[in-house]
Amino acid sequence: ILNVEQSPQSLHVQEGDSTNFTCSFPSSNFYALHWYRWETAKSPEALFVMTLNGDEKKKGRISATLNTKEGYSYLYIKGSQPEDSATYLCGRGFTGGGNKLTFGTGTQLKVEL
Amino acid sequence: IAGITQAPTSQILAAGRRMTLRCTQDMRHNAMYWYRQDLGLGLRLIHYSNTAGTTGKGEVPDGYSVSRANTDDFPLTLASAVPSQTSVYFCASSDSKQARFDEQFFGPGTRLTVL
Repeated sequence: ILNVEQSPQSLHVQEGDSTNFTCSFPSSNFYALHWYRWETAKSPEALFVMTLNGDEKKKGRISATLNTKEGYSYLYIKGSQPEDSATYLCGRGFTGGGNKLTFGTGTQLKVEL
Repeated sequence: IAGITQAPTSQILAAGRRMTLRCTQDMRHNAMYWYRQDLGLGLRLIHYSNTAGTTGKGEVPDGYSVSRANTDDFPLTLASAVPSQTSVYFCASSDSKQARFDEQFFGPGTRLTVL
């Protein structure tokens, strides 16, 4: 993996479904992995910042895991609601990069009634 | 002011003109960033600043310049705009004094069209 890649590109689920998406990134020189939620016509807002291999973070119905050795992170949404509809971005920081992040192109989630 | 503000909200600009996008934060964050958002390409870092008085290049710096004279302000200048610089521009900041991996806070964006 040379860049930060997110899959799927887009996802449609029904209200109440649980879903997950993937962020893959170069495992070398890893420093931090950020997840952001980006609603249409708004600005990205931070969900999680993870740094340690095996990290798991949770905020309400949303949780994330991190595997720095193999270079991936999963974001899970349990019992999706229409208000979860947004683009979910992940960004990777690397050692020697200071605070810089390289972002993936995002997973666009639409939750339908 | 609460958080990060950007100005203008949107702008249509003739090619060849000079334009400065303004960004101000009131959180006393030491680090600031400029990104551009293009369809299918996500957010790409243009320039960043880890602290007042220092700046660095991101992934797509060509055609852009920045300055960081103080903690609060981080203007982005297009010296001679070209149509490929049509994009939505986001400014962000983070507090890295305690930890170097703090979340970034984003401004509302500036939509720029270069004709």
